[in-house]
Amino acid sequence: SAVISQKPSRDICQRGTSLTIQCQVDSQVTMMFWYRQQPGQSLTLIATANQGSEATYESGFVIDKFPISRPNLTFSTLTVSNMSPEDSSIYLCSVDDIQETQYFGPGTRLLVL
Amino acid sequence: AQSVTQLGSHVSVSEGALVLLRCNYSSSVPPYLFWYVQYPNQGLQLLLKYTSAATLVKGINGFEAEFKKSETSFHLTKPSAHMSDAAEYFCAVSESGANSKLTFGKGITLSVRP
Repeated sequence: SAVISQKPSRDICQRGTSLTIQCQVDSQVTMMFWYRQQPGQSLTLIATANQGSEATYESGFVIDKFPISRPNLTFSTLTVSNMSPEDSSIYLCSVDDIQETQYFGPGTRLLVL
Repeated sequence: AQSVTQLGSHVSVSEGALVLLRCNYSSSVPPYLFWYVQYPNQGLQLLLKYTSAATLVKGINGFEAEFKKSETSFHLTKPSAHMSDAAEYFCAVSESGANSKLTFGKGITLSVRP
């Protein structure tokens, strides 16, 4: 399975600021996904990131709030813009391997004050 | 549309007892089904998956799950719980194979009593 790393692992931010989360994979993958896990909740898909094209966002998530980059087949970033305390969550990236399975990174724990 | 139902939010068992975590799904096409585990302060780890092969699927750490189409279920079991099994367990469904988004259930917290 792919080995996925995320940076930062955790952060505490002030409201109104933005944070960019990085996701690095040790092999080339076609699809990368970004999820949000709010406190005590399950995972919700934010968007799917394809290399060389714009990300596809799920209902309730917009590019202005969560811009995503996918410059190559091993890397993606998610920015949480103009943060509010409601954005306090764990943000996870995942990749889809050729065996039709998603593997997840360790997550970025974000607290917005 | 697809959905996953995990009834209850917390299951507590004694060490050595049977673990049974329930998952029911809804899907308009044959589903692919997954169980993930999340240990405290960690990401999600794949336990096992069903992708239309054998209906009884064996995973890591002694867990297994059985796909029952007639019951639209994919319950997770382990014959004998260990203290190290205490974690959050998520059932997830996707409607096709590669490159398909996952829909997760709410998750179940498993506690193991000494």
